[in-house]
Amino acid sequence: SAVISQKPSRDICQRGTSLTIQCQVDSQVTMMFWYRQQPGQSLTLIATANQGSEATYESGFVIDKFPISRPNLTFSTLTVSNMSPEDSSIYLCSADGRDPPYEQYFGPGTRLTVT
Amino acid sequence: GEDVEQSLFLSVREGDSSVINCTYTDSSSTYLYWYKQEPGAGLQLLTYIFSNMDMKQDQRLTVLLNKKDKHLSLRIADTQTGDSAIYFCAESRLGGGFKTIFGAGTRLFVKA
Repeated sequence: SAVISQKPSRDICQRGTSLTIQCQVDSQVTMMFWYRQQPGQSLTLIATANQGSEATYESGFVIDKFPISRPNLTFSTLTVSNMSPEDSSIYLCSADGRDPPYEQYFGPGTRLTVT
Repeated sequence: GEDVEQSLFLSVREGDSSVINCTYTDSSSTYLYWYKQEPGAGLQLLTYIFSNMDMKQDQRLTVLLNKKDKHLSLRIADTQTGDSAIYFCAESRLGGGFKTIFGAGTRLFVKA
């Protein structure tokens, strides 16, 4: 299993600014993922982050808006750049389990409000 | 398409059984999962079933898989107020990298 922590747990930011969210895993993992979850809605995958390579972004998400770092096998960051109120959401970090059933382990999420 | 579909809301009385249904599209899925999300928390794996199984029982939880119809269900027996949460159905896909596809989540309300 893996335990994932995220910082900050919540933040209120002004439009036009940027926020970096940190995700720390207590063990080495190969793949890490960043999701966005609007209140009461499902998860939307933003990107997949592998150590040593550039993140792979899903349709509708671009690196300039959501730059991701993955410097080692236990840590990743997601930056939400030039924020607007539409970016208000919960951002979740997750990591894949190494062994069957390959479940995903999730962090508690970062609740972002942009004013 | 890639959708995993499930109903959005379910309301039951405490002590009754809850049944949450899900349909998926990829017949090659290896594992199918049920995740639970409590308020203010991330998702946590509740149970899973391997694709060559029809049923899995784990205490109050029963998972049924109908591969022909691509239908997955989660039954919670003797539902308690602590079971109130959002339940996500998900399938795993291999090929071009491992990917987990999540449904929209079913919000379960348990009335005392």
